[in-house]
Amino acid sequence: GAVVSQHPSWVICKSGTSVKIECRSLDFQATTMFWYRQFPKQSLMLMATSNEGSKATYEQGVEKDKFLINHASLTLSTLTVTSAHPEDSSFYICSASWAGGASNEQFFGPGTRLTVL
Amino acid sequence: KQEVTQIPAALSVPEGENLVLNCSFTDSAIYNLQWFRQDPGKGLTSLLLIQSSQREQTSGRLNASLDKSSGRSTLYIAASQPGDSATYLCAVQTSGSRLTFGEGTQLTVNP
Repeated sequence: GAVVSQHPSWVICKSGTSVKIECRSLDFQATTMFWYRQFPKQSLMLMATSNEGSKATYEQGVEKDKFLINHASLTLSTLTVTSAHPEDSSFYICSASWAGGASNEQFFGPGTRLTVL
Repeated sequence: KQEVTQIPAALSVPEGENLVLNCSFTDSAIYNLQWFRQDPGKGLTSLLLIQSSQREQTSGRLNASLDKSSGRSTLYIAASQPGDSATYLCAVQTSGSRLTFGEGTQLTVNP
């Protein structure tokens, strides 16, 4: 199946710093990438949807100025958490799909654990 | 707005039992339904994907069914093993490739 990677797998940062998380589709061209966050013992919540070359569409309640998403190529999307605070500590997971897929299936990355001190 | 509910929230069974996990969704206009497995601190592993036109999918000891009209899906696990212990997530895909997840069922299979 299609492979999606994330980097880093975990990161610890100080409050007020910015953190960039990369999501790559390794063996296919992802026309659409999705970013989710997951708090402990909770399910995944969609943060935003990004299409290559266009601005991301954010879900209600997600601050676009705080969570900057860039989908500059068909294999890479980045999520930057700006001025991170402890409440941003979470598990961030990306997924990718391509328009030619028969099922529009999303393929998920392994996630990035962010801890803000 | 699509809502996905999973029952039970947690389940503990002895090894060897057959078990059923339930998923229900409020909007039957879905493209597909997918079952995932998530181990603690890890990402998602896709188990089965059922297209809206399909009734069930099978993979090894797993069987997932879909009744779109009633908004229900079940994941059947046969002859459970301790290695099956994980959280199982159900997700439905609607317009724009949007996935809506349930809260998950935390399964523990005791040796």
